[in-house]
Amino acid sequence: KAGVTQTPRYLIKTRGQQVTLSCSPISGHRSVSWYQQTPGQGLQFLFEYFSETQRNKGNFPGRFSGRQFSNSRSEMNVSTLELGDSALYLCASSLGGSREQYFGPGTRLTVT
Amino acid sequence: GDSVTQMEGPVTLSEEAFLTINCTYTATGYPSLFWYVQYPGEGLQLLLKATKADDKGSNKGFEATYRKETTSFHLEKGSVQVSDSAVYFCALSHTGTASKLTFGTGTRLQVTL
Repeated sequence: KAGVTQTPRYLIKTRGQQVTLSCSPISGHRSVSWYQQTPGQGLQFLFEYFSETQRNKGNFPGRFSGRQFSNSRSEMNVSTLELGDSALYLCASSLGGSREQYFGPGTRLTVT
Repeated sequence: GDSVTQMEGPVTLSEEAFLTINCTYTATGYPSLFWYVQYPGEGLQLLLKATKADDKGSNKGFEATYRKETTSFHLEKGSVQVSDSAVYFCALSHTGTASKLTFGTGTRLQVTL
């Protein structure tokens, strides 16, 4: 069974631009969660989508948004990029509930 | 709010040495506890978990016991290998928001021959 895939793997953007990251979950998984990983703040929960609905949200500004499609694929969007948004963005999928989360390899975003 | 505290790294051990990585947590109720491992250039992999007090999670020679009285979930392995070199994260979640994991800062383990 294919794992969680994230595209692109690496991205360089300029401050003020916007970016969209994509996550394809494991087949059959309906829950997709997003995390930001930085050296300073560590791993922080962004949001979770389940069956196209945002179910949980972390403490991030409104510039961070996401959505989930009917095939469970998810996208995360960051508008008006700031230098501090440079991070590894990880996506995780699960069957939902208390089931194990499977993480993708991440997208490394660099904002210059 | 919830928080997870891990010992500072890096931890450097010789192969076959005993490993302990300390983890304590602050949370209401009875969270589920996890250890994740991140190898260079990869995402996180679940190493083991425990969902209630006194549960012991184990996998690949690693063990951790959910201690409610000390709010701890220390990771141990009796004999580490070079291939265990990675960053280890302790994390918790609550039943109602199971997909929202709160992570510790991570502990880098380096095992040398």
